[in-house]
Amino acid sequence: QVQLVESGGGVVQPGRSLRLSCAASGFTFHSYAMHWVRQSPGKGLEWVAVISYDESSKYYADSVKGRFTISRVNSKNTLYLQMNSLRAEDTAIYYCAREEVRGTNLFDSWGQGTLVTVSS
Amino acid sequence: SYVLTQPPSVSVAPGQTARITCGGNNIGTKSVHWYQQRPGQAPVLVVYDDSDRPSGIPERFSGSNSGNTATLTISRVEAGDEADYYCQVWDSSSDHPYVFGTGTKVTVL
Repeated sequence: QVQLVESGGGVVQPGRSLRLSCAASGFTFHSYAMHWVRQSPGKGLEWVAVISYDESSKYYADSVKGRFTISRVNSKNTLYLQMNSLRAEDTAIYYCAREEVRGTNLFDSWGQGTLVTVSS
Repeated sequence: SYVLTQPPSVSVAPGQTARITCGGNNIGTKSVHWYQQRPGQAPVLVVYDDSDRPSGIPERFSGSNSGNTATLTISRVEAGDEADYYCQVWDSSSDHPYVFGTGTKVTVL
């Protein structure tokens, strides 16, 4: 079955960096666009970034543009999110999510998330 | 950017029907997807393309979309349906194309 497992979260000081990983299994990873979606404590869902199946396209929310970089290594079935210049408002659970293969722009599978806390 | 507005909360007795609205400008021209997020868990897709259900989702979950409002309907509500629900669309004209609604907390009385 489809499995997405995030890792790399933790407590980090403002201005520092962190890299999140998402290990995928149970499906043909290189055929799917992948996303990061975050959820601040007690708040709603916020889309963060998307990468196409072949890395040719990447898009970001304005709130992270220029600071975060999404990438993937298809040979390792792994998705990444490099987060630089972190701010308190980046504190959230970060989910990786798979985009449905038909290109309907919906998220058909989600990981359990990894918590990032930005605090001095 | 495109905005989706949901009521913060909906309360319903067991066995009754819950209706959750998602308002957006001409949302009827877009495909709307709905996610259920139980406490402490990741979101789960429960309705896609306005009214279709993924495999494994009970028929009690249904959706509709017209004009400026999409609606998720949960029939014969059970205690296990208590969760947050989010609508989502893709807005091709926006720099922030993957848009989530503000979320609705469904409480089963």
